[in-house]
Amino acid sequence: EADIYQTPRYLVIGTGKKITLECSQTMGHDKMYWYQQDPGMELHLIHYSYGVNSTEKGDLSSESTVSRIRTEHFPLTLESARPSHTSQYLCASRRGVDYGYTFGSGTRLTVV
Amino acid sequence: AQKVTQAQTEISVVEKEDVTLDCVYETRDTTYYLFWYKQPPSGELVFLIRRNSFDEQNEISGRYSWNFQKSTSSFNFTITASQVVDSAVYFCALSEDQGGSEKLVFGKGTKLTVNP
Repeated sequence: EADIYQTPRYLVIGTGKKITLECSQTMGHDKMYWYQQDPGMELHLIHYSYGVNSTEKGDLSSESTVSRIRTEHFPLTLESARPSHTSQYLCASRRGVDYGYTFGSGTRLTVV
Repeated sequence: AQKVTQAQTEISVVEKEDVTLDCVYETRDTTYYLFWYKQPPSGELVFLIRRNSFDEQNEISGRYSWNFQKSTSSFNFTITASQVVDSAVYFCALSEDQGGSEKLVFGKGTKLTVNP
């Protein structure tokens, strides 16, 4: 049973729409991460959080924003979606440096 | 800077063949952690193994085995007697701990196709 949940699983929206991708975890992890994965497979870190009220931009510049008001919740928002945002978005959390990530099942976003 | 290289972009084998996925890493840290993840066509990333820099013992789990060699900075993954269900993208990753973010640095992945 998954301990980290992402919704929606699939989303098709029109250009210019505002969307929020949800990510919640029940493990009490402080560290959370958002990755963008294009069809070419490579994973790009776009945002991460050390804990509540802490957010940082990742290695890949992204037009999305994130918030961390509660430990368990780390949503990602696109104010105005564009076709270039079409991708899979993966959320992850981590217990500590000597543990791996636990990933959600991802959101496949298509912007038409 | 820390870096993970998976030189094999795609590998195709026939069922029951053995296959090795290569992973080479770069780090200046003396303490670090290495990981392998599997991403089946459904898209989720599944944790396979973690190894810390002080433990060079090889590990075997069923048909899976991992060979960690600090001397060559490699952490290779072997599947013995491959099966169609092993078809997936496999990622090697290195734990980076700059500033407490505890980010994982991923390789670009190796797509494995096992044909019946």
